[in-house]
Amino acid sequence: AQSVTQLDSQVPVFEEAPVELRCNYSSSVSVYLFWYVQYPNQGLQLLLKYLSGSTLVKGINGFEAEFNKSQTSFHLRKPSVHISDTAEYFCAVKGTGGGNKLTFGTGTQLKVEL
Amino acid sequence: EAGVAQSPRYKIIEKRQSVAFWCNPISGHATLYWYQQILGQGPKLLIQFQNNGVVDDSQLPKDRFSAERLKGVDSTLKIQPAKLEDSAVYLCASSPGPTGVQPQHFGDGTRLSIL
Repeated sequence: AQSVTQLDSQVPVFEEAPVELRCNYSSSVSVYLFWYVQYPNQGLQLLLKYLSGSTLVKGINGFEAEFNKSQTSFHLRKPSVHISDTAEYFCAVKGTGGGNKLTFGTGTQLKVEL
Repeated sequence: EAGVAQSPRYKIIEKRQSVAFWCNPISGHATLYWYQQILGQGPKLLIQFQNNGVVDDSQLPKDRFSAERLKGVDSTLKIQPAKLEDSAVYLCASSPGPTGVQPQHFGDGTRLSIL
């Protein structure tokens, strides 16, 4: 089984400042890793995913994440945030073998302020 | 392409009543998921279908929850009778197949409030 820990429940940041949302995972097998964004009253939208290969993954809306196997982390970063980035962000993990379900963290609320 | 469609968007019922949610996945997607998202938490998988067969329902409270996907396309999730702790957003997602390399596409969800 896999588990995900998102260390920060809320992250306030000023517009145009950089931001990092932290995610750590636990698994006894190889994993795929995902970041999803959820805007108010909407479903989840995929930001980016790590399946294999390069550990630096680039996604939509200027976000990127780095897979660190030794630290079992998959932190999400953006060099300059906008008001429109205000949303809930979920990290998720799935074992690479069949029969593994997608397991989500509890989410991080990113609030971008002027 | 059209996204995952869910209805209704909102539902308010009293405890012990029954309720049903509907989901239409993206065309051609063989795998369909129902998630429960309680306020302040991440989504939790309730049931996964591959075509019209159940792949995983280990976290579905089977004494009150049921789901079906009769023709391998649309799906319905039912709660009977509802309890206060069932207040949540119910999300439907679909993917072309069950493997992790194919990300899931989510609908906007149904927000259920139990009085």
